[in-house]
Amino acid sequence: SQQGEEDPQALSIQEGENATMNCSYKTSINNLQWYRQNSGRGLVHLILIRSNEREKHSGRLRVTLDTSKKSSSLLITASRAADTASYFCATATYGNNRLAFGKGNQVVVIP
Amino acid sequence: SAVISQKPSRDICQRGTSLTIQCQVDSQVTMMFWYRQQPGQSLTLIATANQGSEATYESGFVIDKFPISRPNLTFSTLTVSNMSPEDSSIYLCSARDSLMNTEAFFGQGTRLTVV
Repeated sequence: SQQGEEDPQALSIQEGENATMNCSYKTSINNLQWYRQNSGRGLVHLILIRSNEREKHSGRLRVTLDTSKKSSSLLITASRAADTASYFCATATYGNNRLAFGKGNQVVVIP
Repeated sequence: SAVISQKPSRDICQRGTSLTIQCQVDSQVTMMFWYRQQPGQSLTLIATANQGSEATYESGFVIDKFPISRPNLTFSTLTVSNMSPEDSSIYLCSARDSLMNTEAFFGQGTRLTVV
């Protein structure tokens, strides 16, 4: 079945640095989404990139999508302590209303 | 956008008992989902809550253990029945429009501990 999967990472960076995390998936998708989760609470949607898009920006977030490699990356620039969280990618496939979530990346930003 | 109120936020329950988790959405939504998340893990979909009909369960989850109701387009409940310590987890409800290029919204989660 379709599933987004991040390379398992636990990033620990200094405030002000950039954080990059990756996601790979297995089948054709309609779109790919990134979510943030703080301390086991609800997920918050960050950005959605459609299958016909290659790059998208939202504030300090930059997402890329390479459908030929079935992969995506999320870049957080000029990180802040408040960016400390787990980040998940999720894929949506045609004809399926469910989202398939990846394993998540834990990011710790040290003040 | 949609705001989801999920309660309780946490509970400690005795084994063998049942807990019902409620989710209220501030607007009508097409799709509602229930997930389980073990600490440090990803989300596992339990079922899709269907308005006015039986929920659609994923492999490994059954209605007798996780009965779900969805009486209208803004409300759903998940019951964790006959609980055991293995049911200790975070349970999350989610809502999403049926249109493909839409985001999902989540409740704040219910942290369940079974003792």
